[in-house]
Amino acid sequence: TQLLEQSPQFLSIQEGENLTVYCNSSSVFSSLQWYRQEPGEGPVLLVTVVTGGEVKKLKRLTFQFGDARKDSSLHITAAQPGDTGLYLCAGLTMDSSYKLIFGSGTRLLVRP
Amino acid sequence: KAGVTQTPRYLIKTRGQQVTLSCSPISGHRSVSWYQQTPGQGLQFLFEYFSETQRNKGNFPGRFSGRQFSNSRSEMNVSTLELGDSALYLCASNPPGRMNTEAFFGQGTRLTVV
Repeated sequence: TQLLEQSPQFLSIQEGENLTVYCNSSSVFSSLQWYRQEPGEGPVLLVTVVTGGEVKKLKRLTFQFGDARKDSSLHITAAQPGDTGLYLCAGLTMDSSYKLIFGSGTRLLVRP
Repeated sequence: KAGVTQTPRYLIKTRGQQVTLSCSPISGHRSVSWYQQTPGQGLQFLFEYFSETQRNKGNFPGRFSGRQFSNSRSEMNVSTLELGDSALYLCASNPPGRMNTEAFFGQGTRLTVV
């Protein structure tokens, strides 16, 4: 069974602080996706990383895919209250179907 | 471009009943995946359909089933409902070309079993 372990589960920080969320697995994935989900809505994609060692930046968010394509991290610089939400990592399995294995999620609260 | 439409948004059912949920993917998308989201288990893959064929299935009992129609619309059915089936059921519309593409999620159907 493929699993993605995401940590931390909860994070409460002050505006302006930096944070990092981790996703780790013993399995190799075709790609790793990061989503953000608001209450009552479906997840919305932030980024997809495909190549081992890949780093992508989206304004204050930096995403990294491990060399072995088994782990990933999301780093937020100078967090703002608007960053508050549920962050989910998801690995696309290696078979030909479109199956995502999701991490348990990180609930982030950025206090003003 | 219209998004993914899931109906109904909310549903309350009694134990033992069955329920059918519907998902209309984005036009041109032939792959539809279903996920169950609960506070305890997070988002779990139910199954994926592509061109009316089930390509993959998650670890759920046979009470959970699905199908896809020729227009790519998909339905999932849960029979003999249990309290533990209460969850947000999400449908994802998946574009062609797996690797660099994102899954577009609907708003979900919130199912409550009482």
